[in-house]
Amino acid sequence: AQSVTQLDSQVPVFEEAPVELRCNYSSSVSVYLFWYVQYPNQGLQLLLKYLSGSTLVKGINGFEAEFNKSQTSFHLRKPSVHISDTAEYFCAVSGASTGGGNKLTFGTGTQLKVEL
Amino acid sequence: DTGVSQDPRHKITKRGQNVTFRCDPISEHNRLYWYRQTLGQGPEFLTYFQNEAQLEKSRLLSDRFSAERPKGSFSTLEIQRTEQGDSAMYLCASSFMFGGAKTQYFGPGTRLLVL
Repeated sequence: AQSVTQLDSQVPVFEEAPVELRCNYSSSVSVYLFWYVQYPNQGLQLLLKYLSGSTLVKGINGFEAEFNKSQTSFHLRKPSVHISDTAEYFCAVSGASTGGGNKLTFGTGTQLKVEL
Repeated sequence: DTGVSQDPRHKITKRGQNVTFRCDPISEHNRLYWYRQTLGQGPEFLTYFQNEAQLEKSRLLSDRFSAERPKGSFSTLEIQRTEQGDSAMYLCASSFMFGGAKTQYFGPGTRLLVL
């Protein structure tokens, strides 16, 4: 079984400032890692994913994340945020074995609020 | 290429009534997942299908919940004798199990309110 901890429930930041949203996971097997964004009353949109290979992954809208196996972390970063980045961000993990169904386990989310 | 669609987007019902939600996945995707998201929480896994076979059900899925995916295309999620605790957003996702994708694409969700 896997679990995900998102350490910050809310992160306020000024526009054009950098931001980091933290995510730590726990798993006894190899994992895939994902970040999704959710705007109010909408479904989840994939920002980026780590499946294998380079530990630094780049996603949409200028976001990137780094997989750190030793620290079991997958923190999300953006060097300069925009007001439109205001949303809820979810970190998720799945087992890497196809036989396990690859179901996602989500964290509780981080609300990013970008202020002028 | 259309994404995952869900119908209805919103449903208000009275306690004790039955409700049914529909999910249409991305056409070539052979896996379909249902999740439930309550206010202020992340989505929680309910069940998933590979083609038409339901391969796993969470213990969150009580006997009042049933899901089907006839012919391996669209899926329905039915809740019988709804309770106020069933109020939540129900999310559907689909993925292609082969290759390196392993990415689940989500629909817009169905928001259920049980009065």
